[in-house]
Amino acid sequence: GAVVSQHPSWVICKSGTSVKIECRSLDFQATTMFWYRQFPKQSLMLMATSNEGSKATYEQGVEKDKFLINHASLTLSTLTVTSAHPEDSSFYICSATWTGDYGYTFGSGTRLTVV
Amino acid sequence: KQEVTQIPAALSVPEGENLVLNCSFTDSAIYNLQWFRQDPGKGLTSLLLIQSSQREQTSGRLNASLDKSSGRSTLYIAASQPGDSATYLCAEYQGAQKLVFGQGTRLTINP
Repeated sequence: GAVVSQHPSWVICKSGTSVKIECRSLDFQATTMFWYRQFPKQSLMLMATSNEGSKATYEQGVEKDKFLINHASLTLSTLTVTSAHPEDSSFYICSATWTGDYGYTFGSGTRLTVV
Repeated sequence: KQEVTQIPAALSVPEGENLVLNCSFTDSAIYNLQWFRQDPGKGLTSLLLIQSSQREQTSGRLNASLDKSSGRSTLYIAASQPGDSATYLCAEYQGAQKLVFGQGTRLTINP
């Protein structure tokens, strides 16, 4: 149980376009979802926390107008990278947690390359 | 500000050896601590979760300990195998849900 599906696993886009990444909890209702960013050979940095039906909480230094997060249901959160630039190229990972227990389940990640 | 440090950054050992990965944290009032494994280009797989009231957790060849007084956690891997090669990350819970990650230890098990 507790599976998080993340799509796409990789995407290449042109500079200036927008890209949407989906994160779905398959067998549980995710009260909270998290979006992380990981640069090569570095650890994960939390970008934002989203709760179903409310606005996301962004970490300091993360542009909320550039990284749009929507958590419209208890099983789906999306991250949209708007007007992507090469410096946005990175590995993006979502995770979800649920009530009744403590622990995280992570998606498989999305490799974004902006050319 | 909570900080999590993992030493060493990289480790290479022969197959069959027992090994220990280290994780230190600055917050003595730690909530929970979780160990993850990450394969290249992949997401994270949870290995062990130690809640604040616990001292250790075991799963198969893995044993994780938590010493809040010294601000340390260790991940012990017994009888290492080439398939154990990956990056191992520890993460401290900041409050009930938010994770703060260490930089990870890249482990290579040589056949």
